[in-house]
Amino acid sequence: DVKVTQSSRYLVKRTGEKVFLECVQDMDHENMFWYRQDPGLGLRLIYFSYDVKMKEKGDIPEGYSVSREKKERFSLILESASTNQTSMYLCASSFLAEAFFGQGTRLTVV
Amino acid sequence: AQSVTQPDIHITVSEGASLELRCNYSYGATPYLFWYVQSPGQGLQLLLKYFSGDTLVQGIKGFEAEFKRSQSSFNLRKPSVHWSDAAEYFCAVASGGNRDDKIIFGKGTRLHILP
Repeated sequence: DVKVTQSSRYLVKRTGEKVFLECVQDMDHENMFWYRQDPGLGLRLIYFSYDVKMKEKGDIPEGYSVSREKKERFSLILESASTNQTSMYLCASSFLAEAFFGQGTRLTVV
Repeated sequence: AQSVTQPDIHITVSEGASLELRCNYSYGATPYLFWYVQSPGQGLQLLLKYFSGDTLVQGIKGFEAEFKRSQSSFNLRKPSVHWSDAAEYFCAVASGGNRDDKIIFGKGTRLHILP
């Protein structure tokens, strides 16, 4: 089975902190994604990557950056966390466009 | 650009009744289409997918979906729902498995089941 692992299930950070969300997949997938999930808004794509060191902006990239130094790892970075970034963050990897999701990280910015 | 519309935010059906969840997509070519389910407190699980061929696809848990190109739709159906089907359902579209493919999700439909 494909396994996508997000480093934390719950995080609480202070406004202005730099926040790292880590995601690792074990199936050698080329494509990886970061989404945020908010009630009534569904899953919105923040960034995705189709290869090491390659990244593409999604629909809501503002306030976020990403890093993909190794194929299996895709990190989401909040350079200066703000309260409006409180959300559930979902990482996924894909094969033939089918996405496999991690369990999510619920981030609260206070 | 790809987009997905799920017009129903909430749907309530009685246990044992039939179900149809609507999904409309926007994409220039033949898309790859998916339905995912998210049970409370759980991650997203793939129910079914359409890539090509037969436009009626079968999935897990007794679900099926029909691709209708003329209507740009990919509606999810189940003939008889169970209380355990209460969850949020997401339709998704991808452009076709290309290297730089992105996957776009709809806003979801929350299904409530009446006993």
